[in-house]
Amino acid sequence: EVQVVESGGGLVQPGRSLRLSCTTSGFTFSDYDMSWVRQAQGKGPEWIGYIRSRSYGGTTETAASVKGRFAISRDDSRGIAYLQMNSLKTEDTAVYYCARDAGSYVPGWLDLWGQGTLVIVSS
Amino acid sequence: IVLTQSPGTLSLSPGERATLSCRASQNVRSSYLAWYQHKPGQAPRLLIHGAITRATGIPDRFSGSGSGTDFTLTISRLEPEDFAVYYCHQYGYSPLFGQGTRVEVK
Repeated sequence: EVQVVESGGGLVQPGRSLRLSCTTSGFTFSDYDMSWVRQAQGKGPEWIGYIRSRSYGGTTETAASVKGRFAISRDDSRGIAYLQMNSLKTEDTAVYYCARDAGSYVPGWLDLWGQGTLVIVSS
Repeated sequence: IVLTQSPGTLSLSPGERATLSCRASQNVRSSYLAWYQHKPGQAPRLLIHGAITRATGIPDRFSGSGSGTDFTLTISRLEPEDFAVYYCHQYGYSPLFGQGTRVEVK
């Protein structure tokens, strides 16, 4: 089955770190760029970052709102993308989605999403 | 760029036509505009990309139109499974999403 599944969410204190995983199956992960999107309660989705495929060196882009705190990586041998979140703030509380990106070097449309994992940042 | 979706909520009956708007504060380059459907507890689903191209497996009652700053998603005849929240998405450099339109049963 073609799918992406996020994991690793939970309750974390402000200032702490958390790493989310995006486990994929059913397609050749190494061929695709991948994006991370989050959605806070009652708000629209927010794009937070993107990692290019190996063809483009696996380089990343991150939104200004998380730059310097969040980092994206990938393990093509395991078909997993990661979102490392450091120095978490209460405003980072959201459902975090991983999505397969149809773009090529530049973020494109998101043609396969996971169901998301909830991150709550609270003391 | 800011994407503004309207209306916030659309109350319609099955069989009716739904017209959802997405307006950008600046031109959307190369019609890099997508639409998604999202139901509670489910993964968002791609409906339209390139403003007008239906994604694989999407019924033809869904159609996208527009260019520049004004885009529309039309559902020609609402089916029971179409009641959900819909988001537009400008991709390319500095991607962003609209705040969503909820299509609810009248």
